Amino acid sequence: AQTVTQSQPEMSVQEAETVTLSCTYDTSESDYYLFWYKQPPSRQMILVIRQEAYKQQNATENRFSVNFQKAAKSFSLKISDSQLGDAAMYFCAYEGGANSKLTFGKGITLSVRP
Amino acid sequence: DAGVIQSPRHEVTEMGQEVTLRCKPISGHNSLFWYRQTMMRGLELLIYFNNNVPIDDSGMPEDRFSAKMPNASFSTLKIQPSEPRDSAVYFCASSLRTQGVNEQFFGPGTRLTVL
Repeated sequence: AQTVTQSQPEMSVQEAETVTLSCTYDTSESDYYLFWYKQPPSRQMILVIRQEAYKQQNATENRFSVNFQKAAKSFSLKISDSQLGDAAMYFCAYEGGANSKLTFGKGITLSVRP
Repeated sequence: DAGVIQSPRHEVTEMGQEVTLRCKPISGHNSLFWYRQTMMRGLELLIYFNNNVPIDDSGMPEDRFSAKMPNASFSTLKIQPSEPRDSAVYFCASSLRTQGVNEQFFGPGTRLTVL
């Protein structure tokens, strides 16, 4: 079974600084997708960024980028120029195999210091 | 598009009562997912449907839980009888399943409290 591990329960970053959130996963599949979701206090789940495993290039969405290391099964999220609105819980998620099931990590709570 | 719609947003009930959560997926989407979020267990997939057919219900905790999708625009998750340990936030999500990545769009969730 696929597993997603987010070992850091909490992180803090100074506004305008850069922070990296870690995620590792375990799978026997060769073709899969990885996601980072943001859950602010409103609890709405918002997709931040996604990565297709067959793509070597790391995905980037404005201030958000990933470091995808397929061999190491690592998928970290980098947030540049952190803003107060980035404070939220962040979930790493995996989708692969013959179905559309998302497997989520436990999440990490990110706080942003003004 | 209004996005995924869930109702009610909050539900408080007493142990033993029946609870029905409702979801309207995004129009045109063909996959629907029910998740439960708790502090202890995080986000768990309960069941998902493809073209209104349940594909995987292995996450449904026990027989007290049931889900239906009578048509492409409506799904329900029912708990009968409810227990305090069912207290959680329940999310519905939908996606358009095609070849390639299938982004799931989440509803706002229903916060269920069972007293």
